[in-house]
Amino acid sequence: AQTVTQSQPEMSVQEAETVTLSCTYDTSESDYYLFWYKQPPSRQMILVIRQEAYKQQNATENRFSVNFQKAAKSFSLKISDSQLGDAAMYFCAYKPGGSNYKLTFGKGTLLTVNP
Amino acid sequence: DAGVTQSPTHLIKTRGQQVTLRCSPKSGHDTVSWYQQALGQGPQFIFQYYEEEERQRGNFPDRFSGHQFPNYSSELNVNALLLGDSALYLCASSLEPGFSSYEQYFGPGTRLTVT
Repeated sequence: AQTVTQSQPEMSVQEAETVTLSCTYDTSESDYYLFWYKQPPSRQMILVIRQEAYKQQNATENRFSVNFQKAAKSFSLKISDSQLGDAAMYFCAYKPGGSNYKLTFGKGTLLTVNP
Repeated sequence: DAGVTQSPTHLIKTRGQQVTLRCSPKSGHDTVSWYQQALGQGPQFIFQYYEEEERQRGNFPDRFSGHQFPNYSSELNVNALLLGDSALYLCASSLEPGFSSYEQYFGPGTRLTVT
């Protein structure tokens, strides 16, 4: 069974600084997708960034980028120029390719942004 | 563009009762997934509905059942409620087939408390 591990229950960063959230996963699949979701106190889960396993290039969305290391099964999220609005719980999620529609989530990392 | 909506926002039930939660997918989406998020945990996949049928199911007992209507909206039913069913229930919608990244859009959730 696939598992997703987020080893940092909590992280903090100063406003305008950079922070990296870690995620590792376990799978025997070669085709899969990885996601980072943000869940602010309002509870609504918002997709931050996604990565297809077959793509070697790391995904980037504005201030958010990932470091995807397929051999190491690692998928970290880097947030640059952190803003107060980035404070939230961040979840790493995995989805196999093909006709398996289940998203498997890690336990989350609570990010605090200090002014 | 209407996003994913869920009702009710909060619900309090007594052990042994039955509950129905509702979800309307994002406009244009035809697939609905349900997740259970216990306090301090990541969401766990309950099941997914497509073309009014349960397409895939996670490790949840038969007390959890669902339905999808012709307009793609969905219901989650939980029978014989247990204290451990207290959680945030999230609905997510996506577009199939042909949406290769399988990006799921989440609703704000229904907070269920079982006493």
